[in-house]
Amino acid sequence: QSVLTQPPSVSAAPGQKVTISCSGSSSNIGINYVYWYQQFPGTAPKLLIYDNNKRPSGIPDRFSGSKSGTSATLGITGLQTGDEADYYCGTWDSSLSAGVFGGGTKLTVL
Amino acid sequence: DVQLAESGGGLVQPGGSLRLSCATSGFTFSTYDMNWVRQAPGKGLEWVSYISTFSNTIYYADSVKGRFTVSRDNAKNSLYLQMNSLRDEDTAIYYCARAYCSSSSCHILDYWGQGSLVTVSS
Repeated sequence: QSVLTQPPSVSAAPGQKVTISCSGSSSNIGINYVYWYQQFPGTAPKLLIYDNNKRPSGIPDRFSGSKSGTSATLGITGLQTGDEADYYCGTWDSSLSAGVFGGGTKLTVL
Repeated sequence: DVQLAESGGGLVQPGGSLRLSCATSGFTFSTYDMNWVRQAPGKGLEWVSYISTFSNTIYYADSVKGRFTVSRDNAKNSLYLQMNSLRDEDTAIYYCARAYCSSSSCHILDYWGQGSLVTVSS
């Protein structure tokens, strides 16, 4: 059971928009910044979003992040088949003194 | 280019030990905190451990506390994870990840190694 809660899967058609939610608590998302990672099968995770809504160099602006209270959301617009991957939210939990992740969301581009 | 490369994984019996290494290059290792993250087959990411730049702050997940020990050698640009009393549920790909600090926060895992598979089985 992951500390952060994500939907197991989401799907949308190419060109459409999808959002992935990440729910936490007052000791993690509520007081710390949220990060999002993208992972393709057989490869290492890659940082997609940091500090709730910032994109590292090279990440297209089709990817966006937001946070409100104890929840965060990853948005992807203009979906491409190449976006099919697993997406994980993560943050630090100040009560646990530990890093925490969501269970991951598998994105299918139909 | 920033590079992280794990090694030392393999097959080990329950109760056994293994030491993972993470060799780094392309950045000033001594100025970055580091983490270990694992992923069981077909499962999600699980954070394992954190170590600060000069090893003065160390954290572990409850699932490995008392069995795993993280360490680093800044002179060798390397990170280590000593794993003792291994259990079946420790079977996973183990990734080392660099922790970047922005102006707002730390614990941003901005670079990851390719992972090292640890299989605990009799």
